[in-house]
Amino acid sequence: QTVVTQEPSFSVSPGGTVTLTCGLSSGSVSASYYPSWYQQTPGQPPRTLIYSTNARSSGVPDRFSGSILGNKAALTITGAQADDESDYYCVLYMGSGIWVFGGGTELTVL
Amino acid sequence: QITLKESGPTLVKPTQTLTLTCTFSGFSLSTSGVGVVWIRQPPGKALEWLALIYWDDDKRYSPSLKSRLTITKDTSKNQVVLTMTNMDPVDTATYFCAHGTSNTYYRPAKWGQGTLVTVSS
Repeated sequence: QTVVTQEPSFSVSPGGTVTLTCGLSSGSVSASYYPSWYQQTPGQPPRTLIYSTNARSSGVPDRFSGSILGNKAALTITGAQADDESDYYCVLYMGSGIWVFGGGTELTVL
Repeated sequence: QITLKESGPTLVKPTQTLTLTCTFSGFSLSTSGVGVVWIRQPPGKALEWLALIYWDDDKRYSPSLKSRLTITKDTSKNQVVLTMTNMDPVDTATYFCAHGTSNTYYRPAKWGQGTLVTVSS
């Protein structure tokens, strides 16, 4: 059973930079997993931020960026703002149309 | 403009079968390279990918739930139906449907608002 790992929680100061990561319980994340990132606020469906490692979805500010760092996918928020306080989910492509979500990271901005 | 809306019962009893409908607009499931995905999220917990139906009626299921899930489409009605058998309280969740395309490997891109299903006797 493939497990996608994320930090359960993270904190960042307003204006600061934070990097959230997305890994695999066994193995390394590469671009061939097409890592994608979603932002979710309470009561709302997830909103795509980044897809295919580093492609920014339409309307997403450029302070959100995606990359591969070492053996994990990463979402970096530069110049964090109060309304970035949300849950962030990564999802990895396992092939044959199947995706697996990570456990999510609760980001606090304070 | 692509929109999706989930509908179905808000409460089901344990052991019952859940049937959810995703009604969409702004695209056709008969168009090559289009798919509809189901995802769920228990209250306060993470998202879980459930199933995908392709434009050509091919289907994919989460390995851990495959035995309980069936996904079908009615192209004429612009609907996708997900059934889940033998419901249990742990299946209590908000169920989302989403649109995906082949150029991003049917990643859930545009989501519906979701529908909360509670499993309780």
